Amino acid sequence: GQQLNQSPQSMFIQEGEDVSMNCTSSSIFNTWLWYKQDPGEGPVLLIALYKAGELTSNGRLTAQFGITRKDSFLNISASIPSDVGIYFCAGQRGAQKLVFGQGTRLTINP
Amino acid sequence: NAGVTQTPKFQVLKTGQSMTLQCAQDMNHEYMSWYRQDPGMGLRLIHYSVGAGITDQGEVPNGYNVSRSTTEDFPLRLLSAAPSQTSVYFCASSPKQGAGYGYTFGSGTRLTVV
Repeated sequence: GQQLNQSPQSMFIQEGEDVSMNCTSSSIFNTWLWYKQDPGEGPVLLIALYKAGELTSNGRLTAQFGITRKDSFLNISASIPSDVGIYFCAGQRGAQKLVFGQGTRLTINP
Repeated sequence: NAGVTQTPKFQVLKTGQSMTLQCAQDMNHEYMSWYRQDPGMGLRLIHYSVGAGITDQGEVPNGYNVSRSTTEDFPLRLLSAAPSQTSVYFCASSPKQGAGYGYTFGSGTRLTVV
């Protein structure tokens, strides 16, 4: 099935560092979503983007809807231990189902 | 608390056994779906439903059955478990399919088939 290309697949960083990850697609999407999955839990919605070029923040998280509508970026500033987990991007077009990226696993060294 | 409830949280099955993974939501969502999550594979869609009485296959439906007799419940059945079905299963719901609605996920069922 269709998948989004999410990178990097994993990241190992020091506490306090900034984090960047992105998602690309060969198809255009009308909505981009970013989820976080804590260990042993289901994914939880972090940020939703609905317009090309849109930049949205949620605390230390900032996400952008790419101007071409084929990509999206998530940045986390000043990482802390509770940021550990798997981050998923998801794209949606019209009435179709969400398409998920394969996830970025974030590990933080204190 | 409102949300998506999955039971059981953990399950071990022997090859060939059958079981049903339960999923219930109390948000009156029309859309419900089942995913499996395997290492390095992300979330793969098994089956989904756009409303009571309507179900359809996702990208990995083989070995699984679903039904949607009520808006609230969307059980996933494994008729004859195989080791390849060892995975973490997530149920997700949404007010409707599409139109920018995100999904609300349950906390998952970790299934091991031996």
